[in-house]
Amino acid sequence: AQKVTQAQTEISVVEKEDVTLDCVYETRDTTYYLFWYKQPPSGELVFLIRRNSFDEQNEISGRYSWNFQKSTSSFNFTITASQVVDSAVYFCALSGGAGNMLTFGGGTRLMVKP
Amino acid sequence: GAGVSQSPRYKVAKRGQDVALRCDPISGHVSLFWYQQALGQGPEFLTYFQNEAQLDKSGLPSDRFFAERPEGSVSTLKIQRTQQEDSAVYLCASSLGRRTDTQYFGPGTRLTVL
Repeated sequence: AQKVTQAQTEISVVEKEDVTLDCVYETRDTTYYLFWYKQPPSGELVFLIRRNSFDEQNEISGRYSWNFQKSTSSFNFTITASQVVDSAVYFCALSGGAGNMLTFGGGTRLMVKP
Repeated sequence: GAGVSQSPRYKVAKRGQDVALRCDPISGHVSLFWYQQALGQGPEFLTYFQNEAQLDKSGLPSDRFFAERPEGSVSTLKIQRTQQEDSAVYLCASSLGRRTDTQYFGPGTRLTVL
């Protein structure tokens, strides 16, 4: 069975602070994919990034960066110089195995205050 | 191009009523997924289609839940004899169809059962 754990249920920061959202996963698959989605108050899940299990290179996209460490089964997400518009719930998800369904973590609510 | 659309956005039903939720995937997307998201939690997988074939329905919580995609495009999730515990946001996602492809989500339908 697959499992994704986001231990931080809620984080509050002041604008321009850096913030890291943690994600730990469990899977028996050797090939799998990890995702981060953003869910703003409007409710729609917005795709941010996808990584496969064979690519442990960290990735940076603007103010966003992701750290994938297979040794610790973690896929953490950092926002640099946070902005109020970053306020949302962020979900980490895992896919793999015979099916294509995503297994989501419980989400981390990020509040960025001005 | 247009993203995944869902209708209605909000639905209020009295306990015992039947409801039908519609999903229009991104044009050309072969795979379609339904997820259920309870308040404050991550989405949970319900069922998955590849074209018109329902390949996995292991996440449907009871036989009151039924999904179809008769022409391989639009999908309908039907809930019969709704119960209060069915209250949730129902999210639809689509992808190109390969196991590696990213799922793109619609805005969801918020169902409230009174």
